[in-house]
Amino acid sequence: DQQVKQNSPSLSVQEGRISILNCDYTNSMFDYFLWYKKYPAEGPTFLISISSIKDKNEDGRFTVFLNKSAKHLSLHIVPSQPGDSAVYFCAAVKFSGGYNKLIFGAGTRLAVHP
Amino acid sequence: DTAVSQTPKYLVTQMGNDKSIKCEQNLGHDTMYWYKQDSKKFLKIMFSYNNKELIINETVPNRFSPKSPDKAHLNLHINSLELGDSAVYFCASSQDQGYSDEQYFGPGTRLTVT
Repeated sequence: DQQVKQNSPSLSVQEGRISILNCDYTNSMFDYFLWYKKYPAEGPTFLISISSIKDKNEDGRFTVFLNKSAKHLSLHIVPSQPGDSAVYFCAAVKFSGGYNKLIFGAGTRLAVHP
Repeated sequence: DTAVSQTPKYLVTQMGNDKSIKCEQNLGHDTMYWYKQDSKKFLKIMFSYNNKELIINETVPNRFSPKSPDKAHLNLHINSLELGDSAVYFCASSQDQGYSDEQYFGPGTRLTVT
């Protein structure tokens, strides 16, 4: 069962415009969420996170919004740059068996073109 | 200096063989992980060690056996390889096991079983 869903496998955006990547989750017990960015032939790297006690977290060009009632979060990148072209993974922290573990979505491939 | 390194980067082998993947981190972290990225692109946790102690052991066949000789190393040994084991395996580490502890990923090992 997919507890974290990224329903758009790909997204194409023009340079300078806003990129919006979406993520839905099913488990209301998740209380911390992260976005990771992955370039080809590299491992994922942490981008930004948000706690469930907040509805927004901003870091430079990147902002994550959390709507707990809708079990939905989104990553906004503005302005988008060609170097942002990568796969973006949404992840939720699940507390299970006394330990925390990350539950990842399948990723969204973002292409930023000039 | 690579923070989390894995060897080999590519591994092609035949069904029934036994193989190992090595992982090392030079970040001084206490917790290390193995993830599997399958054909559907989901990253799924397999194992986690904290201070050389196994703390997360997901539903993974017994053919997979992690070993942590020290805090900086976490190796993955796979016996009797099957076609379904073909995937990209990522090692990761984090300072501790807290939900906000950022995980640092290695570049991945692409395993192909023929």
